[in-house]
Amino acid sequence: DAGVIQSPRHEVTEMGQEVTLRCKPISGHDYLFWYRQTMMRGLELLIYFNNNVPIDDSGMPEDRFSAKMPNASFSTLKIQPSEPRDSAVYFCASSFWGSSGNTIYFGEGSWLTVV
Amino acid sequence: AQSVTQPDIHITVSEGASLELRCNYSYGATPYLFWYVQSPGQGLQLLLKYFSGDTLVQGIKGFEAEFKRSQSSFNLRKPSVHWSDAAEYFCAVGGADGLTFGKGTHLIIQP
Repeated sequence: DAGVIQSPRHEVTEMGQEVTLRCKPISGHDYLFWYRQTMMRGLELLIYFNNNVPIDDSGMPEDRFSAKMPNASFSTLKIQPSEPRDSAVYFCASSFWGSSGNTIYFGEGSWLTVV
Repeated sequence: AQSVTQPDIHITVSEGASLELRCNYSYGATPYLFWYVQSPGQGLQLLLKYFSGDTLVQGIKGFEAEFKRSQSSFNLRKPSVHWSDAAEYFCAVGGADGLTFGKGTHLIIQP
């Protein structure tokens, strides 16, 4: 079974440009998470979806950030306009909540540099 | 609010020696606990998890962890480390609403 697939793996963009990160969760998983990892703040939960519905976006840093999940197999995280302080690794993760709890599986990450 | 503390930022261990990485958590209910490992430039790989039952859980790559409710701890252990174990290790707590991670422990293996 393929894992969580993220694209692009690496992106370098100029300040002010729009950035779109993409994620394909593991088939059958009903939860999808977006995390951000930086040296200063570690791993932070930005937003999560359950059955394609955003449940908690309290971790989204600003209105410049938005996330969508139009169907069970695809999600995007968009930054518009991007700023240098958005440089980080963005992880998408997915899980299935069953009788034995859940296990969250992570993608390889999208390494974003804003110059 | 839930939180995870990994008190050791860096740990250096000789190859072949035993390892223990510490993790303390704060959680309002029965916790689901996890250990992940991250190699440079890679994503997070699940080592092991605790949901319920036996408090000593076995994971991949020879790792194990013990849940101690009285100490709010979930320490990770390995009897003999290999150079390939050098990585960043994250403890996490949470449930269906996502995980809260510790800051990580950077493991260095000396030859």
